[in-house]
Amino acid sequence: ILNVEQSPQSLHVQEGDSTNFTCSFPSSNFYALHWYRWETAKSPEALFVMTLNGDEKKKGRISATLNTKEGYSYLYIKGSQPEDSATYLCAFFYSPMNYGGSQGNLIFGKGTKLSVKP
Amino acid sequence: AAGVIQSPRHLIKEKRETATLKCYPIPRHDTVYWYQQGPGQDPQFLISFYEKMQSDKGSIPDRFSAQQFSDYHSELNMSSLELGDSALYFCASSSGTGFPNEQFFGPGTRLTVL
Repeated sequence: ILNVEQSPQSLHVQEGDSTNFTCSFPSSNFYALHWYRWETAKSPEALFVMTLNGDEKKKGRISATLNTKEGYSYLYIKGSQPEDSATYLCAFFYSPMNYGGSQGNLIFGKGTKLSVKP
Repeated sequence: AAGVIQSPRHLIKEKRETATLKCYPIPRHDTVYWYQQGPGQDPQFLISFYEKMQSDKGSIPDRFSAQQFSDYHSELNMSSLELGDSALYFCASSSGTGFPNEQFFGPGTRLTVL
C-alpha cells in the first residue's frame, strides 16, 4: 500500500510567522510530487510540480524542497498572511512498474490545514 | 482561463437511488480523473479516462460506472446509493496521462445520501 503522509495535520500561526510542513512519500519509483492549495468551497489549486531530487521551487512567499532519496518534501511559507489560510495537499504521482511513468495517477496525503490569525 | 466544470455542485439523494455527476475538462485536455473525498478523508482516486478509454482504475465500487464521451466530458454514474457514498466528488483534467501529470481540479460535486 502506498502511503503519502503529511504533518502536522493542522497548524495555527499568527500573521507574519513563517511556517513549514512536511510530506513523506515512497522513495522508490519516483516520478513527481505535487503540492496543491485548497481553500474551503474552492477547487484545489496547483502550487508546484517537483520532479528532480534537490529541486527547490518558489512562488511568492511559498517555496518547496524535494528529497527523493529519503522521500520527503517541505513546503515553507514566509511571513504568513490570513489569505494563506487553506489546506495544503501533497500528491505523489504513482505509475505502475511496467508503465515507466507514461501512465499513472495521484495519491494524495490528508493535507495540512493552516490557519493564519490576523 | 477556462477551468474544469462540474455539475451539479450539490446533490441530495435517498438510499438506493441513482446519481449522475458530470465533468467538463479544460479545452484540449484529453484525460479526466475522478476522486472521492469522504468527510475528514484525503481524496481517493476512483477512475480515469484518456482519449475516451478507461486508463486506470482505483477504488471505485462496482455500483459506480463512468465513461468519457467524444467531446471529452465524463460522467460518473452511481447506482444503489449508500449512506457511505456521501462525499465530495472531484473531477480533474490533464493533457495526457504520463508524468508529471499536472491535474487541474474542478470545484467538486457534494453528494449527500439520506
